[in-house]
Amino acid sequence: RKEVEQDPGPFNVPEGATVAFNCTYSNSASQSFFWYRQDCRKEPKLLMSVYSSGNEDGRFTAQLNRASQYISLLIRDSKLSDSATYLCVVNNYGQNFVFGPGTRLSVLP
Amino acid sequence: ETGVTQSPTHLIKTRGQQVTLRCSSQSGHNTVSWYQQALGQGPQFIFQYYREEENGRGNFPPRFSGLQFPNYSSELNVNALELDDSALYLCASSLLAAPKANNEQFFGPGTRLTVL
Repeated sequence: RKEVEQDPGPFNVPEGATVAFNCTYSNSASQSFFWYRQDCRKEPKLLMSVYSSGNEDGRFTAQLNRASQYISLLIRDSKLSDSATYLCVVNNYGQNFVFGPGTRLSVLP
Repeated sequence: ETGVTQSPTHLIKTRGQQVTLRCSSQSGHNTVSWYQQALGQGPQFIFQYYREEENGRGNFPPRFSGLQFPNYSSELNVNALELDDSALYLCASSLLAAPKANNEQFFGPGTRLTVL
């Protein structure tokens, strides 16, 4: 089993739709969690950190459930510019970043 | 832009050759991590350098080696290249307060390596 797993995708949604991505991780000692966004043939860019209390940044909401070892990302009112691959990232104390395989999103006009 | 730069942007090599990739970290950062990203997959951790010392290594063979310099820039060296080494190589910089600390990582644009 991979350490970080994500919805396989791709997700094709119309503009204005709400879309949710799911991620699970296997290491219960994981300490910090992030969502990165990666555009085609570009580097990953930090979208947001994920906190236990949940956090929101504009149209984006991230949730963490430590008991279930589950992370989610919700995008409301999708824009064409949201089309990208979304990478779930888990960081264990003193260890490296572990990336999930990514979920590709295409927002259609 | 993150301020992390990598060179070269693209590289073509043949099997058995050696390659050196370079990364300049963001100003004020002391840590560089290297990742390999094959097509359609998430980045895989190769190793990390903190204050010029290796600070963790992923599941990569010894022919993948690295260095970090006093200015915190870094090199990734790969010997005896194999076809499966074809990938996007990403460097990420961060500021760690200690070797076991965590912090956000900021990625450079990557070097796309093709091995023929």
